[in-house]
Amino acid sequence: SAVISQKPSRDICQRGTSLTIQCQVDSQVTMMFWYRQQPGQSLTLIATANQGSEATYESGFVIDKFPISRPNLTFSTLTVSNMSPEDSSIYLCSVDLSPGNEQFFGPGTRLTVL
Amino acid sequence: GENVEQHPSTLSVQEGDSAVIKCTYSDSASNYFPWYKQELGKRPQLIIDIRSNVGEKKDQRIAVTLNKTAKHFSLHITETQPEDSAVYFCAATPGSSYKLIFGSGTRLLVRP
Repeated sequence: SAVISQKPSRDICQRGTSLTIQCQVDSQVTMMFWYRQQPGQSLTLIATANQGSEATYESGFVIDKFPISRPNLTFSTLTVSNMSPEDSSIYLCSVDLSPGNEQFFGPGTRLTVL
Repeated sequence: GENVEQHPSTLSVQEGDSAVIKCTYSDSASNYFPWYKQELGKRPQLIIDIRSNVGEKKDQRIAVTLNKTAKHFSLHITETQPEDSAVYFCAATPGSSYKLIFGSGTRLLVRP
């Protein structure tokens, strides 16, 4: 397995501002993903972070709102832009350690927007 | 696209009883079906998974069954213990992609 870390673990932000969340893995991984988990809800895939190219976004999520970077095989960032209270959620990165689709999650970033 | 439905939304069982959670999926090309357990304030943890070429898989008190014809899969927990109390999510990987589409979750409560 891999050690997956996220920074920050939590933050409280003012509406209209942006927050960048970092995801770091202690080994090289092929696939990295970003999910959102709204309070009491399931996990919704935001995008697949592609190394060296633009992220692949799911329906309902756009690059202007959630820009993603993946500069190498161990690191990715997700930015939540121009935040509103509706963006208050837990944001989780996940990694696919092997071609077998087993995904493991980071500890999450709890975001509160006032 | 793929849609995963999960039932029930809440499940309360007596310690020692069995618990069953069921999921259905819509994309017949889906080929990988993991189950995650999420305790309060924690990250989802992979507890068991099954691939489309297998009908059943067991790991101690946990088992998963897959019916490709009916497009449904189930999680079975036997001899439940209070520490099994958590939210359980099923998921499916549609077609040739690697992304996961999650069910809505089941809150399991095991009463001592």
